[in-house]
Amino acid sequence: GDSVTQMEGPVTLSEEAFLTINCTYTATGYPSLFWYVQYPGEGLQLLLKATKADDKGSNKGFEATYRKETTSFHLEKGSVQVSDSAVYFCALSAISGGYQKVTFGIGTKLQVIP
Amino acid sequence: EPEVTQTPSHQVTQMGQEVILRCVPISNHLYFYWYRQILGQKVEFLVSFYNNEISEKSEIFDDQFSVERPDGSNFTLKIRSTKLEDSAMYFCASIMEGQRGETQYFGPGTRLLVL
Repeated sequence: GDSVTQMEGPVTLSEEAFLTINCTYTATGYPSLFWYVQYPGEGLQLLLKATKADDKGSNKGFEATYRKETTSFHLEKGSVQVSDSAVYFCALSAISGGYQKVTFGIGTKLQVIP
Repeated sequence: EPEVTQTPSHQVTQMGQEVILRCVPISNHLYFYWYRQILGQKVEFLVSFYNNEISEKSEIFDDQFSVERPDGSNFTLKIRSTKLEDSAMYFCASIMEGQRGETQYFGPGTRLLVL
């Protein structure tokens, strides 16, 4: 079945540092790829997405590029802020049996210190 | 902006009791989902629902679980006889057409604690 592998956290960075969270996937079809963010005590929010190869999703300074050749969708941000502290989930969605289904990675906790 | 809502935000129950978690999906969405996140673990798919019936369910979704859309707005998850291992955050999600690339919108979750 489909699966998503992302780096285990926690990741601790100083403010303004560069962030990379690695994500790779396996899928039988042609999935769409997502990053969701979960701030402390809150639900899952869509951060960005990409629906086809070489697409770049971006939002709030975060970027990720859909790399079909390496089956990856790494999340990057050039300069993190304390407010970026959260858990980041890489996910894919695919049509299975005619219905869309989302598969999540384990989540990477990011802590940004001033 | 329309959003998925869930009630209650927290629920504490005794083992063996029945619980009903409620969700109000976005109004023009047609596909509905429940996911579960045990503390510190990944978000896991439980069930999808379309046209008033279950379209897919995971191996987690055993006979203790059921879902229902009792009216035009609510979507509920019932756990008949809760177990300690049912303690988790439960997320509801909805999507309009279920097309490839469409974003699933998640509610804020219900944190269930079974004692």
